Amino acid sequence: DTAVSQTPKYLVTQMGNDKSIKCEQNLGHDTMYWYKQDSKKFLKIMFSYNNKELIINETVPNRFSPKSPDKAHLNLHINSLELGDSAVYFCASSQAGAPQFQHFGDGTRLSIL
Amino acid sequence: ILNVEQSPQSLHVQEGDSTNFTCSFPSSNFYALHWYRWETAKSPEALFVMTLNGDEKKKGRISATLNTKEGYSYLYIKGSQPEDSATYLCAFCNQGGKLIFGQGTELSVKP
Repeated sequence: DTAVSQTPKYLVTQMGNDKSIKCEQNLGHDTMYWYKQDSKKFLKIMFSYNNKELIINETVPNRFSPKSPDKAHLNLHINSLELGDSAVYFCASSQAGAPQFQHFGDGTRLSIL
Repeated sequence: ILNVEQSPQSLHVQEGDSTNFTCSFPSSNFYALHWYRWETAKSPEALFVMTLNGDEKKKGRISATLNTKEGYSYLYIKGSQPEDSATYLCAFCNQGGKLIFGQGTELSVKP
């Protein structure tokens, strides 16, 4: 059983398009996250939601908008894609509370042409 | 700006060697320190979460220690095996619950 699943795994699209990446977790966790793996391979937090409420919102362009319809889902919508958005995006989840392990999805590789 | 630094960036060892890596993190606003194992084409997998100064955790041949006063953690692998080859990530968790990851130590174990 996949614990944290992201779709699609690969996304190739043109500059200027709008795209979404979906994330679902079946672990019953309260908190979900989006990370971006940058060109130097660092994982950097973008957003965190706890029980559908935004709790962490890093300095990312407002073209990125997370949406959490319920606590098991956290989708990432990106408007007007730019070349610099090319990266691998990881979704993760954890039980509420900072010291808890985070469980990661397999990542979505986004390539902007 | 909070920096989490890991060293070395990469490490090549022979099967059977024991090895260790370092994670340095800010000693203020500390809440927890995470270690993850990340194999190529897979997702990061949690190894340890440590919260108290002096914590030591062990999982099979892998163990970790924590010094929150001086801001470092060591990860040890005893008798490395080829299947231990992966990138080992540490992440500093602050009081606000945000994880700040290091760049990782890439371990390659040759048979």
